[in-house]
Amino acid sequence: GENVEQHPSTLSVQEGDSAVIKCTYSDSASNYFPWYKQELGKRPQLIIDIRSNVGEKKDQRIAVTLNKTAKHFSLHITETQPEDSAVYFCAARRYNNNDMRFGAGTRLTVKP
Amino acid sequence: SAVISQKPSRDICQRGTSLTIQCQVDSQVTMMFWYRQQPGQSLTLIATANQGSEATYESGFVIDKFPISRPNLTFSTLTVSNMSPEDSSIYLCSVGKGGSNTEAFFGQGTRLTVV
Repeated sequence: GENVEQHPSTLSVQEGDSAVIKCTYSDSASNYFPWYKQELGKRPQLIIDIRSNVGEKKDQRIAVTLNKTAKHFSLHITETQPEDSAVYFCAARRYNNNDMRFGAGTRLTVKP
Repeated sequence: SAVISQKPSRDICQRGTSLTIQCQVDSQVTMMFWYRQQPGQSLTLIATANQGSEATYESGFVIDKFPISRPNLTFSTLTVSNMSPEDSSIYLCSVGKGGSNTEAFFGQGTRLTVV
């Protein structure tokens, strides 16, 4: 089955700096890669996703890149703000398949 | 999108008892899943709740411990049976509409503490 690895486990940046979180996956048939943000005590919320027919996707300060050959994808947050502080999870899934496999999570702290 | 109501939001239970968690969606969804999130950990899939048939369990999870019902396309329950302190965790319902709509939505979670 799919195995998703995520690094780093914790990340601390200064407000205004960029943050990058990286994930690798094992199942070459996976073709949907979402990123979730989970604030303390709240449910995971989708912030951006990418499908395997696209190499990069951007939404304001957030971007995701995908390298299908190397089987890794990354989340990039620019101009970080204190409200970006949360745990971020990457995930991978086969299109139209049932289960989503999650990375271990990255606790991002943005210091004002 | 999908609006998911999950209850209870939290409970404290005695070991050896069982707790049933409910997940109600505001629209019909193809897929419903149950995840466990232990403190400070990632989300682990327990099972896929199949409408009209037995749930599909992931390795390490069994029906006797986590019986699941899904009587229709908008509702599912997860029971945590014969609880022990190791079952203390957050349990999350997740839904997907299937087809080209790949986004998964999560309920707010049930924080279970077993004493």
